[in-house]
Amino acid sequence: GQQVMQIPQYQHVQEGEDFTTYCNSSTTLSNIQWYKQRPGGHPVFLIQLVKSGEVKKQKRLTFQFGEAKKNSSLHITATQTTDVGTYFCAGPDTGGGNKLTFGTGTQLKVEL
Amino acid sequence: GAGVSQSPSNKVTEKGKDVELRCDPISGHTALYWYRQSLGQGLEFLIYFQGNSAPDKSGLPSDRFSAERTGGSVSTLTIQRTQQEDSAVYLCASSPLKYTGELFFGEGSRLTVL
Repeated sequence: GQQVMQIPQYQHVQEGEDFTTYCNSSTTLSNIQWYKQRPGGHPVFLIQLVKSGEVKKQKRLTFQFGEAKKNSSLHITATQTTDVGTYFCAGPDTGGGNKLTFGTGTQLKVEL
Repeated sequence: GAGVSQSPSNKVTEKGKDVELRCDPISGHTALYWYRQSLGQGLEFLIYFQGNSAPDKSGLPSDRFSAERTGGSVSTLTIQRTQQEDSAVYLCASSPLKYTGELFFGEGSRLTVL
């Protein structure tokens, strides 16, 4: 079945450092979504990328969708303590269904 | 309501008991998903409802798990004869789009099986 892996699993950074999480799918994706889950909270939608090679920015966050539409990345510039949480990528099932398969997630901790 | 509502927020039960978890999606959202999240883990797909179509049950881990969606709105996830490995947070999400679009998650129902 479709697998969506993320690396790293955990990342500790000092406030002000940059952070990147990478998402890799075993199959080509029609689109990729990113979600953030704060500790004790529920996942919250951040963005959706659709086009091959697409790059989108949200303030300090930069999202990329690979040319082959099998990988994606999220880069945070100058992390802040408010960035703490787990970041998940998610892609639609390629078997013709409508389920969204979530990546394994990257947990980010930001230290002062 | 303004968002996806789930109840109960916490449920502690004894092994072997049945539990029901409820999800009230955002009004007008046609798609509804159930996911399970064990402590510190990712989101495991359970089941998907879209309008009046047959649900995608491919993620249900065993026949002890079932779900209904009445009137295209409220959904109930039922776990029969609960086991300790069923302990997790059960997350419901809804979406306004027929094909995968942004999911709006509820706060989840934390299930603890003793």
